Amino acid sequence: QQQVKQSPQSLIVQKGGISIINCAYENTAFDYFPWYQQFPGKGPALLIAIRPDVSEKKEGRFTISFNKSAKQFSLHIMDSQPGDSATYFCAAASQGGSEKLVFGKGTKLTVNP
Amino acid sequence: NAGVMQNPRHLVRRRGQEARLRCSPMKGHSHVYWYRQLPEEGLKFMVYLQKENIIDESGMPKERFSAEFPKEGPSILRIQQVVRGDSAAYFCASSQRGGNTEAFFGQGTRLTVV
Repeated sequence: QQQVKQSPQSLIVQKGGISIINCAYENTAFDYFPWYQQFPGKGPALLIAIRPDVSEKKEGRFTISFNKSAKQFSLHIMDSQPGDSATYFCAAASQGGSEKLVFGKGTKLTVNP
Repeated sequence: NAGVMQNPRHLVRRRGQEARLRCSPMKGHSHVYWYRQLPEEGLKFMVYLQKENIIDESGMPKERFSAEFPKEGPSILRIQQVVRGDSAAYFCASSQRGGNTEAFFGQGTRLTVV
């Protein structure tokens, strides 16, 4: 059972454009939603995270939008740059229990110059 | 995430051999998580450990896989009698307190079973 569904699987954007990646979750106990960036051959790096008490969080060019009623959240990358080309993973966790992360399958982003 | 050290970075094992993967958490972190990543897939939780204790091993296969985090030394993920399906990237994450909030990942160990 895939608890976090991520789309699209791949995304091509022109430099300066907006990249949008969407995730949907099923478990209403989830209350922590991070996004990770992974470059080839490297480990995932935490990019930005949100909790359900806010609907949006912005850090630089990266914004998370959160819709609790729809159980969806998305990552927006403004002014996308070639250096943003990487695989992006959304994840979810519950503060209760072991708080293990449940990951989406990832989105491979390519930003063309 | 350079603070979480995993070794070896690459490991090749023949079918039937044992694989031992090591993870040294960031300084001051006493919580360790292991994840497995198959090609073109997201990371899948395997096990959560604190010093000398296994907290959650719900993602670990029931056979051949074991993990430990001793009082001294790194956390070890051990895979006995490896099979081709064990080929994957194995990542370790550590956090200062309980929970994957503010967890930092290592660079992973890429296991290839031939």
